[in-house]
Amino acid sequence: AQSVTQLDSQVPVFEEAPVELRCNYSSSVSVYLFWYVQYPNQGLQLLLKYLSGSTLVKGINGFEAEFNKSQTSFHLRKPSVHISDTAEYFCAVSGGPRGSNYKLTFGKGTLLTVNP
Amino acid sequence: DADVTQTPRNRITKTGKRIMLECSQTKGHDRMYWYRQDPGLGLRLIYYSFDVKDINKGEISDGYSVSRQAQAKFSLSLESAIPNQTALYFCATSDGSAGMPQHFGDGTRLSIL
Repeated sequence: AQSVTQLDSQVPVFEEAPVELRCNYSSSVSVYLFWYVQYPNQGLQLLLKYLSGSTLVKGINGFEAEFNKSQTSFHLRKPSVHISDTAEYFCAVSGGPRGSNYKLTFGKGTLLTVNP
Repeated sequence: DADVTQTPRNRITKTGKRIMLECSQTKGHDRMYWYRQDPGLGLRLIYYSFDVKDINKGEISDGYSVSRQAQAKFSLSLESAIPNQTALYFCATSDGSAGMPQHFGDGTRLSIL
């Protein structure tokens, strides 16, 4: 079984500041990792995913995440945030090539609030 | 038009009523999912379906049932709604490829009084 821990439930930052949203996972098998964003009154949109290969993954809207197998982490970063980045962010994991890769397990979410 | 359409977008109903939430998709995906989202709990899987004849329970299926009427349609029913089923419900689809990113509808906000 897999689990995901998002270490911060809320992260307030000022516009143009850097931000890191933290995610740790546990799994007994190799995994696929995802970050989704949810804007108010909308569904979830995929920001980026890690399947294999380079541990630094770039996504949409200037976000990137780094897979760290030894620390079982997949932290999301952006060097300079905008007001429009205010949203809830979800980290998710599924089993990898040899696991149950049809189900996503989600973290509880991190609300990013960007203040002017 | 949205690729994954959920109806209704909002619903208020009373305890004990039967409710159906509908999901249709134009992405041509075989796999469809129903989740509920509660504040501070993230998304939890209720049911998932790999095709019309393959339906599986998720982690919180008690009190819910589903029907896969066609490849493109997957409905969720609450046979006798109770207040703790008040939540935001999402339908999602995927194509079964490696990593299988899921594509979500905009959700149905359900309130049970």
